[in-house]
Amino acid sequence: DAGVTQSPTHLIKTRGQQVTLRCSPKSGHDTVSWYQQALGQGPQFIFQYYEEEERQRGNFPDRFSGHQFPNYSSELNVNALLLGDSALYLCASSLGFTSSTDTQYFGPGTRLTVL
Amino acid sequence: AQSVTQLDSQVPVFEEAPVELRCNYSSSVSVYLFWYVQYPNQGLQLLLKYLSGSTLVKGINGFEAEFNKSQTSFHLRKPSVHISDTAEYFCAVSDNLPGNQFYFGTGTSLTVIP
Repeated sequence: DAGVTQSPTHLIKTRGQQVTLRCSPKSGHDTVSWYQQALGQGPQFIFQYYEEEERQRGNFPDRFSGHQFPNYSSELNVNALLLGDSALYLCASSLGFTSSTDTQYFGPGTRLTVL
Repeated sequence: AQSVTQLDSQVPVFEEAPVELRCNYSSSVSVYLFWYVQYPNQGLQLLLKYLSGSTLVKGINGFEAEFNKSQTSFHLRKPSVHISDTAEYFCAVSDNLPGNQFYFGTGTSLTVIP
């Protein structure tokens, strides 16, 4: 049973560029959440997708956008990259948006470095 | 809104000694509580969770945590640590609303000294 997978593992970009990160949820899961973890900090919630729609959003600018596909996989897009966007980006999956007791399972993350 | 405070950023402890990692939360609604562990260059792994029922929760790798509603705490404990427990530990809270958004603390770095 495959867990949450993310690609790529590492990514280096320059300021102003755009980046796309990808996530495949754990088998059977239909809800995907994205988190940003800056160095030395805890993960911060970016947004959550369920049924191909953004359902919740944290305090992140519109430069951060996402998408969920019919197979439940998801993409995180960041436009006009800033140095401060350098972080580990974590994807988490869970089952059923309406069930708030579901545990979120995390992927290994994508390390983004903005130069 | 919910928030989580992990009172200790770094905790050094000798091998086979007991350890407690502290976590306090604030919330205006009922919450669910979680502890995750993060090994270097890896994602988060669930240690244990409190949803309801018994306030003492047992998790993997010999860890346990106790939910204290009056003190809004959810401290993590292990009676005897191993070198392999060296990692970053995160306390998280989610509300009991659809689409359980997680709020994480800033983490506690546990270092087990041989």
